[in-house]
Amino acid sequence: DTVMTQSPDSLAVSLGDRATINCKSSQSVLYSSNNKNYLAWYQHKPGQPPRLLISWASTRESGVPDRFSGSGSGTDFTLTISSLQTEDVAVYYCQQYYSSPPGTFGQGTKVEIK
Amino acid sequence: QVHLVESGGGVVQPGRSLRLSCAASGFTFSTYAIHWVRQAPGTGLEWVAAISYDGNTKHYADFVSGRFTVSRDNSKNTVYLQMNNLRAEDAAVYYCARGNSGIYSQFDYWGQGTQVTVSS
Repeated sequence: DTVMTQSPDSLAVSLGDRATINCKSSQSVLYSSNNKNYLAWYQHKPGQPPRLLISWASTRESGVPDRFSGSGSGTDFTLTISSLQTEDVAVYYCQQYYSSPPGTFGQGTKVEIK
Repeated sequence: QVHLVESGGGVVQPGRSLRLSCAASGFTFSTYAIHWVRQAPGTGLEWVAAISYDGNTKHYADFVSGRFTVSRDNSKNTVYLQMNNLRAEDAAVYYCARGNSGIYSQFDYWGQGTQVTVSS
């Protein structure tokens, strides 16, 4: 099974500053036939369902602010919040959907305001 | 508008069973895979099970160990998760989520979740 490992487990960032979350998969999630990375990022706030932010490692979903961006390929990925806002306080998860089991999540990264 | 609504959660004793339902609306249900994801108190998201659009392909997390069964009724736009021999560690909020394009895809819509408590 593919294991997803995020770092750090938590981080505190000042309003307006950059937040960076890393995600490493134990196996490549890049499908060579279509050159797509089967990697998603989710935002999860208490009392709400998770929200899909980014698919295919770097494609922002409709309605997601452009301060959120994803990058990386193969086994190493990054979610960046360019200018942290109050409403961005949440837990963020990466997820691979390349190999079985089809939905492995990282352990999550808690983002707070410093 | 896409909606997923879970139901069937509650308090159950260890070793007993529970069946969760995920009712869908706002999209052509019979063409999408559906997943179950859970979150136990103080922990992260944990993928549980998935079923393909036609019900012919199913996947389960290792910890299910044959205790859970996922099924669907496309005539009722509903997916079920039958959970048997429940353990204390199965206590969690259970979410259903839609696979955007098949079983191996991102989860683009989620329900609000249903709480399962396992306690004697």
